[in-house]
Amino acid sequence: QKEVEQNSGPLSVPEGAIASLNCTYSDRVSQSFFWYRQYSGKSPELIMSIYSNGDKEDGRFTAQLNKASQYVSLLIRDSQPSDSATYLCAFRGVNQAGTALIFGKGTTLSVSS
Amino acid sequence: KAGVTQTPRYLIKTRGQQVTLSCSPISGHRSVSWYQQTPGQGLQFLFEYFSETQRNKGNFPGRFSGRQFSNSRSEMNVSTLELGDSALYLCASSLTGQEKLFFGSGTQLSVL
Repeated sequence: QKEVEQNSGPLSVPEGAIASLNCTYSDRVSQSFFWYRQYSGKSPELIMSIYSNGDKEDGRFTAQLNKASQYVSLLIRDSQPSDSATYLCAFRGVNQAGTALIFGKGTTLSVSS
Repeated sequence: KAGVTQTPRYLIKTRGQQVTLSCSPISGHRSVSWYQQTPGQGLQFLFEYFSETQRNKGNFPGRFSGRQFSNSRSEMNVSTLELGDSALYLCASSLTGQEKLFFGSGTQLSVL
């Protein structure tokens, strides 16, 4: 069974701080990793994808991937109250029938002003 | 461009009934995936369709089924509803060869 583990939180940070969200995954052969953001009562939306080891930056967001440790993280710099949401880590895993995007249960982030 | 459209938005059913949920993908998207979201289990993969063919299926009982039509619209059906089927059912579409999923607003199913 392919799995994604995330700390459910809530993770609370003050406005302007760096929020660090972490995720471990079970599938050693996976090549595709994603971070989705889900606001309360809304559907998930993709904010970052990463495919190779190292860092990938997009504005205030940085995704970090370490395939040897099966670890992916998301850093949010200068956190804003509008970043308060649940962040879902996902990877493309292989099961007996093919591939599927497997999601973690999410980490709830709360940014206080 | 319209987003992914799911209908109905809310459903209330009783145990033993069956239900059909509908999903219209973004125009040009031929891949449709279905997920079940609950507070305890998070987002769980149900199935994926591409060009009317089921490409993959998650670990759900046979009571959960789906299909895709030639216009890429998809339906999922749950027969003999159980209390544990109460959840938000999300549909997502993607472009061929693209990993990015675009999610609909979901159908909130309550089984009483």
